Amino acid sequence: GIQVEQSPPDLILQEGANSTLRCNFSDSVNNLQWFHQNPWGQLINLFYIPSGTKQNGRLSATTVATERYSLLYISSSQTTDSGVYFCAVRPSGSARQLTFGSGTQLTVLP
Amino acid sequence: DAGVIQSPRHEVTEMGQEVTLRCKPISGHDYLFWYRQTMMRGLELLIYFNNNVPIDDSGMPEDRFSAKMPNASFSTLKIQPSEPRDSAVYFCASSWRGNTEAFFGQGTRLTVV
Repeated sequence: GIQVEQSPPDLILQEGANSTLRCNFSDSVNNLQWFHQNPWGQLINLFYIPSGTKQNGRLSATTVATERYSLLYISSSQTTDSGVYFCAVRPSGSARQLTFGSGTQLTVLP
Repeated sequence: DAGVIQSPRHEVTEMGQEVTLRCKPISGHDYLFWYRQTMMRGLELLIYFNNNVPIDDSGMPEDRFSAKMPNASFSTLKIQPSEPRDSAVYFCASSWRGNTEAFFGQGTRLTVV
């Protein structure tokens, strides 16, 4: 099946810093989503971005489908940004399920 | 819409007991997914349905696990008998037409002692 690799696995930032999280995938996809799992365990939708660039406040994401990677940018980080960030992809074809990466654990210090 | 609704939020049960997890998908969504999250294996798909019909159950770990979707607004995941290694967070998700954005419920944290 498709492989999804996220980097870095762990990231510690000071409040106000910027960061870039990366997601590489091994095959063509027709769906890519970024999620934030907060400390309470909820999976929050950040972006639905099979290709192109989107921005939502301090967060933005870019997917280059032809090169099989996506980037999540967090600017001016806040302590509430802490948690695990997951990339999930749906491979092109008949399968409909998302395959998740192992996540990036982000800790933002005050 | 209230989003995907799961119940219970937390479940603690003794080994050997039957456990039933419930999910209400977003109205109008025709795909429903059950995922399990553990420290060792991360988030993995158990089974998914399209128009209430199971499509892929290859992720169901063993015969102790079963899932049903009797109608478009309700699904259950049942474990019988439960074992300590089933302890995990179980998520339900839904999407429209299977190739659009998927939305997840808040999860059920299951502890089997």
